[in-house]
Amino acid sequence: EVQLVESGGGLVKPGGSLRLSCAASGFTFSSYSMNWVRQAPGKGLEWVSSISSSSSYIYYADSVKGRFTISRDNAKNSLYLQMNSLRAEDTAVYYCARDLIRLFDYWGQGTLVTVSS
Amino acid sequence: DIVMTQTPLSSPVTLGQPASISCRSSQSLVHSDGNTYLSWLQQRPGQPPRLLIYKISNRFSGVPDRFSGSGAGTDFTLKISRVEAEDVGVYYCMQATQFPWTFGQGTKVEIK
Repeated sequence: EVQLVESGGGLVKPGGSLRLSCAASGFTFSSYSMNWVRQAPGKGLEWVSSISSSSSYIYYADSVKGRFTISRDNAKNSLYLQMNSLRAEDTAVYYCARDLIRLFDYWGQGTLVTVSS
Repeated sequence: DIVMTQTPLSSPVTLGQPASISCRSSQSLVHSDGNTYLSWLQQRPGQPPRLLIYKISNRFSGVPDRFSGSGAGTDFTLKISRVEAEDVGVYYCMQATQFPWTFGQGTKVEIK
């Protein structure tokens, strides 16, 4: 059974940093691209970042470019999102999602990031 | 960026009746490889999104056949043939033809 479990969310002050993790199981993690998608409270979905299976290709939304860094450790079956210079508008539930060639077939339950003083 | 526009934003439906959601993209979603990477996702209250339909009309594993997708180019439709109580939630279209991937605003399906 495919499972994606996010962790690392919490309350952080504006300008602070946070590192999210996504632990994958039930599939060959190293064969899939992975993504982060976020959802602000009461709002819609926003794609944040993508990373290819071997980390050769990485993409970011303009809203996070230069502040967020996506990475993965295939030996640990884990996906990460390093978030720096956090702003109030980064407050959201962050989901990791498996990418089966341009479709997001499995999603985690999400982890809440709150940026507030 | 490709803008995805859904209509309606809210759809009150009687149980057992059909529902239809439209999604229009600001440019063609046909990729250079010939595929159209348009997906539909369902988000039930308090749950993460769930893939329903991919590449316009392909139902994902375990998705009931009352859900169907159609369309081409820039105009796409999700249809629910007979709405059931478990279908309540927000439905999103999503394009993965060109970065950045983008989503529609979401359509809330609720029971009348």
